[in-house]
Amino acid sequence: EDKVVQSPLSLVVHEGDTVTLNCSYEVTNFRSLLWYKQEKKAPTFLFMLTSSGIEKKSGRLSSILDKKELFSILNITATQTGDSAIYLCAVEGTSYGKLTFGQGTILTVHP
Amino acid sequence: GAVVSQHPSWVICKSGTSVKIECRSLDFQATTMFWYRQFPKQSLMLMATSNEGSKATYEQGVEKDKFLINHASLTLSTLTVTSAHPEDSSFYICSARTGSSNYGYTFGSGTRLTVV
Repeated sequence: EDKVVQSPLSLVVHEGDTVTLNCSYEVTNFRSLLWYKQEKKAPTFLFMLTSSGIEKKSGRLSSILDKKELFSILNITATQTGDSAIYLCAVEGTSYGKLTFGQGTILTVHP
Repeated sequence: GAVVSQHPSWVICKSGTSVKIECRSLDFQATTMFWYRQFPKQSLMLMATSNEGSKATYEQGVEKDKFLINHASLTLSTLTVTSAHPEDSSFYICSARTGSSNYGYTFGSGTRLTVV
């Protein structure tokens, strides 16, 4: 059975700090790894990673995948209070379209 | 970008009644949609895969007679929670793959179901 573990489970920082969120996985026939940000409602898409070593960036957020060591990290630089949310990592394995989610990391950014 | 519209956003119903949740892909066709459930402070758990024109595929432990899924067209999937009980109270979210490598899976806005 596919498994995704995120760490830390929660994180409290101050504005301007840089954070690194971790996601490790075990999956049969890896297809992709996805990062989502969830605030009060449904998750919003951040990144989709399929290849090792290629960093994806979007503003202050970046992510990279290591398929050999089976993990991914999500970096957020110069954090802002608006970054406070639950960050979810998910993997897509053998079953096309079936996403297995990690527990999520609750990020709180204080002014 | 691809948009998935989910309705209603929230619903309160009495025990024993049924509730229907709709999920529509607005600017693309989705032959497959996915239904997730999220309990408070927990992650999303896949309930079932909805396939246009055929029966849904349910995950282990999900009662197919309780959670009826219909995917009658390429843009609409519905989830009906039948004979709802308080333990069915949860956040239900649908998603669809957009077909674009840049977007992955797009989620609907979710439905907060409260059964009283």
